[in-house]
Amino acid sequence: DIQMTQSPSTLSASVGDRVTITCRASQSVSTYLAWYQQKPGKAPKVLIYDASNLATGVPSRFSGHGSGTEFTLTITSLQPDDFATYYCQRYSSYLSAFGPGTQVEIK
Amino acid sequence: EVQLLQSGAEMRKPGESLKISCQGSGYTQYSFTSYWIGWVRQRPGKGLEWMGIIYPGDSDIRYSPSFQGQVTMSADTSISTAYLQWNSLQVSDSGMYYCARRKGSGYFDTWGQGTLVTVSS
Repeated sequence: DIQMTQSPSTLSASVGDRVTITCRASQSVSTYLAWYQQKPGKAPKVLIYDASNLATGVPSRFSGHGSGTEFTLTITSLQPDDFATYYCQRYSSYLSAFGPGTQVEIK
Repeated sequence: EVQLLQSGAEMRKPGESLKISCQGSGYTQYSFTSYWIGWVRQRPGKGLEWMGIIYPGDSDIRYSPSFQGQVTMSADTSISTAYLQWNSLQVSDSGMYYCARRKGSGYFDTWGQGTLVTVSS
């Protein structure tokens, strides 16, 4: 079973900061990785799919990079609406899994 | 626009059964049968857990090993609806359950609003 980790688990940042979240897989998942944003009481929303493709309607300040076992989600200039929890998801086979999440909070 | 509408919050006692639903709209009937539908659990204050996926076209199902034997997924293509069922609920089954459409390579592009399941004696 491929294990997913995320770092950091919590990140304190200010509006305008550049923020990077890392997701690692215990073995290669090629580029079969997505990033989601979840706000309290809401369903998750896809931001990035296939490691680096921006989902429809997602602002360009979000970007994804990586392949194999290490991936990053970068927010170039953090906005008030971006304070949320972020999850990665690998889907290299029919069986999938999410990472444990990274909470981005206001500094 | 494709939307997934889930059934309302449920409260049950341990040992009781439950079936929750997820109805697709904005699909043609053909399209609902052409995309896998997944289920995701989120316990209070915790992260997302991938439970499994069902292909409504032929009811092919892939369960996460963690949920195999604990839940049953099914679908009714005539009403574009997927279901998640428990035969004997436990307190540990309490949480928010989301359905989502699996797109292309395997990510979820459309999510339901969630169904809150509370199991308590």
